[in-house]
Amino acid sequence: GENVEQHPSTLSVQEGDSAVIKCTYSDSASNYFPWYKQELGKGPQLIIDIRSNVGEKKDQRIAVTLNKTAKHFSLHITETQPEDSAVYFCAAMTTDSWGKLQFGAGTQVVVTP
Amino acid sequence: EAGVAQSPRYKIIEKRQSVAFWCNPISGHATLYWYQQILGQGPKLLIQFQNNGVVDDSQLPKDRFSAERLKGVDSTLKIQPAKLEDSAVYLCASSLDPTQTQYFGPGTRLLVL
Repeated sequence: GENVEQHPSTLSVQEGDSAVIKCTYSDSASNYFPWYKQELGKGPQLIIDIRSNVGEKKDQRIAVTLNKTAKHFSLHITETQPEDSAVYFCAAMTTDSWGKLQFGAGTQVVVTP
Repeated sequence: EAGVAQSPRYKIIEKRQSVAFWCNPISGHATLYWYQQILGQGPKLLIQFQNNGVVDDSQLPKDRFSAERLKGVDSTLKIQPAKLEDSAVYLCASSLDPTQTQYFGPGTRLLVL
């Protein structure tokens, strides 16, 4: 089955700097890659997603890039703010898994003022 | 639009006791998921429903866990008897169909003593 690895496990950035989180996946049949943000005591919230027919997608300060050849995708947050502090999860879904998301282990992002 | 509702939010039980969690998905969402999230890890799918039928329960420990979605709307997840290793956050998610975005509820935090 699909296996997703996520790095780094923790990331500390100064307010205003950029943050980058990288994920690799094992199944070349994966075609959907969402990113979720989870704040303490809350459920994961979708922040951006990308499908395999697109190489990059951007939404204000957040962008995701996908390299299907290398089987990795990354989350980029620019101009970080204290409210960006949270745990971020990447996930992957294969075409034949019928909705089954395989999540990475998460990245704890801390933005210091 | 109301989000995914879950109750209770917190539960503390002793090992070998039973416990039940309830989920009300977003209106109109045919697909419902139950995930287990152990501290420091990403969510792991336990069971997936399409309307009131089970699509995937390969990761559900069926000797102690059970779930149902009788009328294709609300769902309950039960653990009987609970073990210490069942301490986790149980997340419910829903989507219009298996290919669409999954929206998560706030989760139920279970502590087994």
